[in-house]
Amino acid sequence: QLQLQESGPGLVKPSETLSLSCAVSGGSISSTTYYWGWIRQPPGKGLEWIGSLYYSGSTYYNPSLKSRVAISVDTPQNQFSLKLYSVIAADTAVYFCARHLRDHDVFDIWGQGTMVTVSS
Amino acid sequence: QSALTQPASVSGSPGQSITISCTGTSSDVGSYYYVSWYRQHPGKAPKVMIYDVTKRPSGVSNRFSGSKSGNTASLTISGLQAEDEADYYCSSYTSSTTWVFGGGTKLTVL
Repeated sequence: QLQLQESGPGLVKPSETLSLSCAVSGGSISSTTYYWGWIRQPPGKGLEWIGSLYYSGSTYYNPSLKSRVAISVDTPQNQFSLKLYSVIAADTAVYFCARHLRDHDVFDIWGQGTMVTVSS
Repeated sequence: QSALTQPASVSGSPGQSITISCTGTSSDVGSYYYVSWYRQHPGKAPKVMIYDVTKRPSGVSNRFSGSKSGNTASLTISGLQAEDEADYYCSSYTSSTTWVFGGGTKLTVL
């Protein structure tokens, strides 16, 4: 059974870069069937799609975050990563990574999520 | 891109049926059959309940069903159970090759 696990710092200072990784186990990140995505959820609020990546390196970003986001893949390590630049307090959220089924555009497997707080 | 519009809250008694709406535009819900629904219990990751507007993943109860008319998709839960109390989110593919979620609906089982 495929599993996803997020990792990274739980506290980031304003104006710095948020960096998270998502380790994929029980399956290959190089599958042509899936995208790999990041979604976040501020405390007490709803889900926001951040971006998705295909194993070849093609990326798709939320227009509202596009200028500050980069998602990349590390095929040998079977993981993908998120960088969010110049963070502000409003970027405080639980960050989820998820497998994204291409032909049905559904996020079918999710990581447990990791809380990131932006504060000095 | 704007979030899809969902009611903030719905409620129902055990055994009853409820429907949650998800309104988008002709650039997302109205143009594609790539609408999915997720259930999220407090402190947990979302779980997909419906995809491709009407399809249920293996293991999801047939009490959950989906439909779409124009720019609005709907999730219906029949035979409400206590375990159904959760937040529900819809999601759609868009014409900009992006994906968008709804604002979420809190379901209370009375």
